[in-house]
Amino acid sequence: GAGVSQSPSNKVTEKGKDVELRCDPISGHTALYWYRQRLGQGLEFLIYFQGNSAPDKSGLPSDRFSAERTGESVSTLTIQRTQQEDSAVYLCASSLDGREAFFGQGTRLTVV
Amino acid sequence: GQNIDQPTEMTATEGAIVQINCTYQTSGFNGLFWYQQHAGEAPTFLSYNVLDGLEEKGRFSSFLSRSKGYSYLLLKELQMKDSASYLCAPPGNYGQNFVFGPGTRLSVLP
Repeated sequence: GAGVSQSPSNKVTEKGKDVELRCDPISGHTALYWYRQRLGQGLEFLIYFQGNSAPDKSGLPSDRFSAERTGESVSTLTIQRTQQEDSAVYLCASSLDGREAFFGQGTRLTVV
Repeated sequence: GQNIDQPTEMTATEGAIVQINCTYQTSGFNGLFWYQQHAGEAPTFLSYNVLDGLEEKGRFSSFLSRSKGYSYLLLKELQMKDSASYLCAPPGNYGQNFVFGPGTRLSVLP
């Protein structure tokens, strides 16, 4: 596609429910990143995918968070048993072999 | 982890020049990135320094010293629309250079 697409743009969920966030990277981009940004805070690195290599999961905050990516296409970030502290904007970015990263508009997650 | 330090907030006047510093303790062979993020929007690319020295692009310039773990972003002829957060992402190894600093919130006043 023309840019990084994320869905949904907004998600309100009840505490304890599972949520799945989707990211469609720019076609041909081998690298894909997920970030979390709490209100007024910086970007918190979550996970990085590079081609078919094992992902770098070093930023995932707990075992409730997981992410998958099929080849060099769509990625999903799953948060199980959501907590109020998970409320944030989740941003996805893709890049071509570690060059400039292009960001999607993010998914705003609110846990009530 | 990677210690990345930026001033939290800065204020400047329209038409002025401002320098936003970034110090870091990472290492790697990739370059350093600066991104701009307006409130409520996604970050957008500003600059990329792979070698030491100054890179100029219009009103924005970025400097890198890899030996000192130091970079700055220089904004000239400030405009109101430059009010935003500025994020640096220091050099890292392949695939690791998109860990961002905490960002500097710049307010440009009339």
